Amino acid sequence: QSALTQPASVSGSPGQSITISCTGTSSDVGGYNYVSWYQQHPGKAPKLMIYEVSNRPSGVSNRFSGSKSGNTASLTISGLQAEDEADYYCSSHTSSTTLEIFGGGTKLTVL
Amino acid sequence: EVQLVDSGGALVQAGGSLRLSCAASGFTFSSYWMSWVRQAPGKGLEWVANIKEDGSDKYYVDSVKGRFTISRDNAKNSLYLQMNSLRAEDTAVYYCARDNGFQTYEYWGQGTLVTVSS
Repeated sequence: QSALTQPASVSGSPGQSITISCTGTSSDVGGYNYVSWYQQHPGKAPKLMIYEVSNRPSGVSNRFSGSKSGNTASLTISGLQAEDEADYYCSSHTSSTTLEIFGGGTKLTVL
Repeated sequence: EVQLVDSGGALVQAGGSLRLSCAASGFTFSSYWMSWVRQAPGKGLEWVANIKEDGSDKYYVDSVKGRFTISRDNAKNSLYLQMNSLRAEDTAVYYCARDNGFQTYEYWGQGTLVTVSS
């Protein structure tokens, strides 16, 4: 099964907002409200930022928000900060034998 | 404090075997599904396998079925990944992760590097 589709890169200036999309199919993103988003800094383990489409774990800034429409999920980061510069991955539960599928990742650059 | 500590990664020849371990602490290990997720150098994340709380159900990504075996020892608060018939494409950092439900991974190990030389 192919990975979920994310833009390879996005960029924004401090204080701006950016949105990262994650496109799948009705067998994954569109079929379940089990989309998560992870932030990964170089050489570090991923960090959960959003789960079940739009929920934030304790301790994650409310500048991070998630949504979904049809087969596409989105992560929005408002009030961009330098520390937000990282790779971001979406993931979704899937009905295939591969229970979970990740996106290819998006590199966020804060200009 | 929840902690997951991955170990066992090494350089191994193609066709060889390796066993990864993940030591868990700070939570009731036997109450959670656990997973292995890998990341090839410079690439994205790939879910590899997961195991039910009591070890009775296990699932694998197609590319490792028949070669990798996930297991756990709840008495030792430990998760394992036995990897056989290793291939160059298995080269990656392997992370264990605690599944909060439907593959929502709030806690991750630090990762352990497996390098398969051809």
